[in-house]
Amino acid sequence: AQSVTQPDIHITVSEGASLELRCNYSYGATPYLFWYVQSPGQGLQLLLKYFSGDTLVQGIKGFEAEFKRSQSSFNLRKPSVHWSDAAEYFCAVGAGVTGGGNKLTFGTGTQLKVEL
Amino acid sequence: KAGVTQTPRYLIKTRGQQVTLSCSPISGHRSVSWYQQTPGQGLQFLFEYFSETQRNKGNFPGRFSGRQFSNSRSEMNVSTLELGDSALYLCASSVGAGQGGGEQYFGPGTRLTVT
Repeated sequence: AQSVTQPDIHITVSEGASLELRCNYSYGATPYLFWYVQSPGQGLQLLLKYFSGDTLVQGIKGFEAEFKRSQSSFNLRKPSVHWSDAAEYFCAVGAGVTGGGNKLTFGTGTQLKVEL
Repeated sequence: KAGVTQTPRYLIKTRGQQVTLSCSPISGHRSVSWYQQTPGQGLQFLFEYFSETQRNKGNFPGRFSGRQFSNSRSEMNVSTLELGDSALYLCASSVGAGQGGGEQYFGPGTRLTVT
């Protein structure tokens, strides 16, 4: 069964500092990987996705993520964090090319706090 | 294009009652998935519908059911509510059948409180 681990429950960074949120996945085949962001009281917004090809993917709001098959990781990065980035971030894995529909398995999330 | 809409946004029910939540996907999207979000269990997949057929189901009891209509709108129903059903219920829509998770767009959720 597929699974996702986000080892950091909370992360605090200063505004303007760089950010890296960790994500490790477990899946038997090539996965489809996603990062979503959730602000309080809101639904999830897709930041970026990896399906295949270039292992460094760019997303919205200046975020990027790198797929590393050897480490089963898909870490999210941002060079300079803005106060408005404070939110909860979720990594998710889809069923990949083997099918399984649109079911996503989510990690437990990382709560990001930005200090001004 | 309008985003995914969910109604109602907030709901308070009593144990033992039943509830129906509604989701209208983005125009042109034919796949609708439902997720339950709780502080203890996180985000968990409930089920997915495509072209009025349930394609995938998560590990939830039979009290949780859903359906999809010909216009792709979807409803989920929870019967015999329990306190543990209190959660944010999120709906997500996607263009098609997808392969392993096509881009999904989430609605704002319905906050269900069971007392």
